[in-house]
Amino acid sequence: EVVLTQSPATLSLSPGERATLSCRASQSVGSSLAWYQQKPGQAPSLLMYDASNRAAGIPARFSAFGSGTDFTLTISGLEPEDFAVYYCQQYYNWPITFGRGTRLEIK
Amino acid sequence: EVQLVDSGGGLVQPGGSLRLSCAASGFTLSSYEMSWVRQAPGKGLEWVSYISTSGATLRHADSVRGRLTISRDNARNSLYLEMHSLRVDDTALYYCARRHNAYFDYWGQGTLVTVAS
Repeated sequence: EVVLTQSPATLSLSPGERATLSCRASQSVGSSLAWYQQKPGQAPSLLMYDASNRAAGIPARFSAFGSGTDFTLTISGLEPEDFAVYYCQQYYNWPITFGRGTRLEIK
Repeated sequence: EVQLVDSGGGLVQPGGSLRLSCAASGFTLSSYEMSWVRQAPGKGLEWVSYISTSGATLRHADSVRGRLTISRDNARNSLYLEMHSLRVDDTALYYCARRHNAYFDYWGQGTLVTVAS
């Protein structure tokens, strides 16, 4: 099973700042990695897929890159609605696995 | 508009059974692979089950294999999760999710399953 390790567990930043979230896989997953955003009381929603592609309707301040075992999600110029929990997920191997999440909170 | 509406959750005793449903609309269910993903209270996401477009191929997480079974009825635009021999650690919000090129592009709102005596 591919273990995804997300860091940091919690990130405290102010609106307007830049957020950098990391996801590391225990073995290569190629580019088969997605990022999801989950706000309190809501279902997760797709942000990025295939490591670096923005899902429909996702603002350009969200970007991601990586391949193999190291992946990064960057949010440039944090907006109030961006404070949420972010999960990475690999779909390269069964079983599908998720990271434990990074909570992005307002400083 | 794509919509997934989860239902069927509730309170059940350990060892009990439940059947979850996911009603799909706004797209042709038969064209998409589907999954169930769960989230224990205050915890992260855990993939539970997968079903191919026709229903011929099923996959389940080790933690639920033999107790939870995914199925679908494309004619009724519905996805199901049969749950048996439920355990306290099955307590979670269960989401159905549509797979698009292997990632999940749409999610239901979730239905809460609580296993407690």
